[in-house]
Amino acid sequence: SAVISQKPSRDICQRGTSLTIQCQVDSQVTMMFWYRQQPGQSLTLIATANQGSEATYESGFVIDKFPISRPNLTFSTLTVSNMSPEDSSIYLCSVSQGGTNTEAFFGQGTRLTVV
Amino acid sequence: GENVEQHPSTLSVQEGDSAVIKCTYSDSASNYFPWYKQELGKRPQLIIDIRSNVGEKKDQRIAVTLNKTAKHFSLHITETQPEDSAVYFCAASKNNDMRFGAGTRLTVKP
Repeated sequence: SAVISQKPSRDICQRGTSLTIQCQVDSQVTMMFWYRQQPGQSLTLIATANQGSEATYESGFVIDKFPISRPNLTFSTLTVSNMSPEDSSIYLCSVSQGGTNTEAFFGQGTRLTVV
Repeated sequence: GENVEQHPSTLSVQEGDSAVIKCTYSDSASNYFPWYKQELGKRPQLIIDIRSNVGEKKDQRIAVTLNKTAKHFSLHITETQPEDSAVYFCAASKNNDMRFGAGTRLTVKP
C-alpha cells in the first residue's frame, strides 16, 4: 500500500487568494489524481497529474483555476486560484500504484473554507 | 464518459441484518469495480473490489457481485455492526480512470 501525506489538512482563506495543496507519497506511483468532495457529496475528479507534462483536466475544470504540478513520481501540488466561497470543499489526492486498474489510495484530504 | 449510479442514497438497518447497495455503470469497457468506505471526516478506504473477469468475491462479511451483461454490481454486508455505519461509494474504472457513484449513507442501529 502507499502512504500519502497531504497538507494542509485544513485552511480558511480569504476570497481572491490562492492556496496550494501538497501531496507526498512514500513510493513512486504511476498515477496521481486530484478530487473534490463537497460536503455530503461524492468524489469528483478534477484532473490527472502527469509526471513531466501538463495535467489532464476533466470537463468543468481548467488549468487557470486549478494549476497542478507533478515534478516527480512521488509528489504533486494542486493550487486553487482566485478563490471564491464556491470553492469551499474537501480536496483529496489519490494515487494508483500502476498496472491496469489497481487500488487507489487517498490522502487524508484538505478541508478548504473560503470566506 | 462513464456514468455510475448508486442506490439507495441512505440505508438504515438493524444490527445483525444485511445491507445491500447497488450500482450501475454505463461504459461496457470499465473492468475494475472497487467499493470504498468513508467514515466521517476520514479518507475513503477500499473495502473490496472486483474485476470484470469475476462474477462474485467475498471477504468475511462483505461480498460483491458483478453482472457485466446488465452492467451492474452490488455490495452485500451481512451481520451488520454499528461500526459498519459510514458512507459507501462504488466506482467503475477503465485504464485507471475511476468514476464514483453518489454514495450511500449506511446507518446500523444497535
